[in-house]
Amino acid sequence: AAGVIQSPRHLIKEKRETATLKCYPIPRHDTVYWYQQGPGQDPQFLISFYEKMQSDKGSIPDRFSAQQFSDYHSELNMSSLELGDSALYFCASSISGEGMNEKLFFGSGTQLSVL
Amino acid sequence: AQKVTQAQTEISVVEKEDVTLDCVYETRDTTYYLFWYKQPPSGELVFLIRRNSFDEQNEISGRYSWNFQKSTSSFNFTITASQVVDSAVYFCALSEALNQGGKLIFGQGTELSVKP
Repeated sequence: AAGVIQSPRHLIKEKRETATLKCYPIPRHDTVYWYQQGPGQDPQFLISFYEKMQSDKGSIPDRFSAQQFSDYHSELNMSSLELGDSALYFCASSISGEGMNEKLFFGSGTQLSVL
Repeated sequence: AQKVTQAQTEISVVEKEDVTLDCVYETRDTTYYLFWYKQPPSGELVFLIRRNSFDEQNEISGRYSWNFQKSTSSFNFTITASQVVDSAVYFCALSEALNQGGKLIFGQGTELSVKP
C-alpha cells in the first residue's frame, strides 16, 4: 500500500541557507501535518493543512512557511536556517470524513542537519 | 491544557519478558483520542493503535495489549514475551476531537531495549 512520501531523506545545509522539504500524502488523503523532532525529543506539531487551507498552527517559527498544493502535496520552506533547526521533520496525512483522528500515518521523515 | 506523560524514559528487559509502558494524559475534553506509535532505530513513526475516549474496552493484538482506564487517565501498553525487534522508542499521544487538523500531543517517549 502507498505510504506518505517525504523528500529528501537527508539534507545538509549551512547556517542562513534555505531548505525546502516535500511531502506527498497517501492517495485520497486531504489533510497534511508537519512535525519537528529534535534529537532525543518527542515530535512537536508545526502546522497542518486541510483541502489546501491551513487548519492549525503549532510552534512553527516565523522563518518557516508551508503550503498545500492542488495535488495535495505539501512543502515546508525554511529560511535563515539556524543550528537549532537540525531535526527530523515528519509529514503525516489523514483523510477527513472517517473521523478526523481516525488514522494518522507518518512518512519516514527528512533528517535536516544545519552546519 | 493537553499533556501526555511517559514517566519511564528507558526500560531494559531480557527477551521473553513481559514489559508495560506507562502513559498518563491530561485533557479537559470529554471526547479525545489516544495513540501509540513505535519509532525503531530507522526513525520512522509506526502507528500501533488509536483509541477513542468512549471506548474503554481493552485491546489485544498478538503480543501487544492496551489497558485504557479513564478513571486514572492512563493508557498503558504491554508487550508480552518481548523480542529483540521490539527495541524502539514508543510514544503515547493525545488528540482532542474538537481540534481540527488532527494535532497530536506526544509524550516524551520510552526507549525500550530488549536484550537477547
